[in-house]
Amino acid sequence: SQQGEEDPQALSIQEGENATMNCSYKTSINNLQWYRQNSGRGLVHLILIRSNEREKHSGRLRVTLDTSKKSSSLLITASRAADTASYFCATDSGSRLTFGEGTQLTVNP
Amino acid sequence: DTAVSQTPKYLVTQMGNDKSIKCEQNLGHDTMYWYKQDSKKFLKIMFSYNNKELIINETVPNRFSPKSPDKAHLNLHINSLELGDSAVYFCASSGPNAWTDTQYFGPGTRLTVL
Repeated sequence: SQQGEEDPQALSIQEGENATMNCSYKTSINNLQWYRQNSGRGLVHLILIRSNEREKHSGRLRVTLDTSKKSSSLLITASRAADTASYFCATDSGSRLTFGEGTQLTVNP
Repeated sequence: DTAVSQTPKYLVTQMGNDKSIKCEQNLGHDTMYWYKQDSKKFLKIMFSYNNKELIINETVPNRFSPKSPDKAHLNLHINSLELGDSAVYFCASSGPNAWTDTQYFGPGTRLTVL
């Protein structure tokens, strides 16, 4: 069964606003990764958070991980039109990386 | 310089044909993958090779056969193509810690079976 489920499926915001995407998973993980996919392109790694970490920052990105709730969130602050893309969480359970369904983020100028 | 490259980018073919997609990485990675992304953008792993050895073989029809001539290349051959094979196929690679390390994706090959 699919490991990661993301919420919302689609999110539309105005430039400058913050965007929050959530990911839930079912089994124990070693780490959780977030990837971005621009339309017609391959996935690009954004950030990795290990199972013993609770929060991680990278530029305008903030990722949290709650292993007790088996959930993670990705916050993009001060969004830009160029942030428009699909965002995927991926969980590493030790045998493979399993991707969620993705959240389509649209940032309107 | 492209880290992970795939050819072709687009592939349009008739049902029943046999086709191949090629993938090359110049990152010196040990592990390479093939993923299939369907029309709903769901990304599912198909195969993984580590140093030319198959380590993941998901429930994929045996019409799909990966081949790794060396650790920088992982090709995907598909026999007797079916309509349901239409999707975007992504190659990826990662360092020695197969699942923990970041995966680097190619640009994808959009396969359309008519």
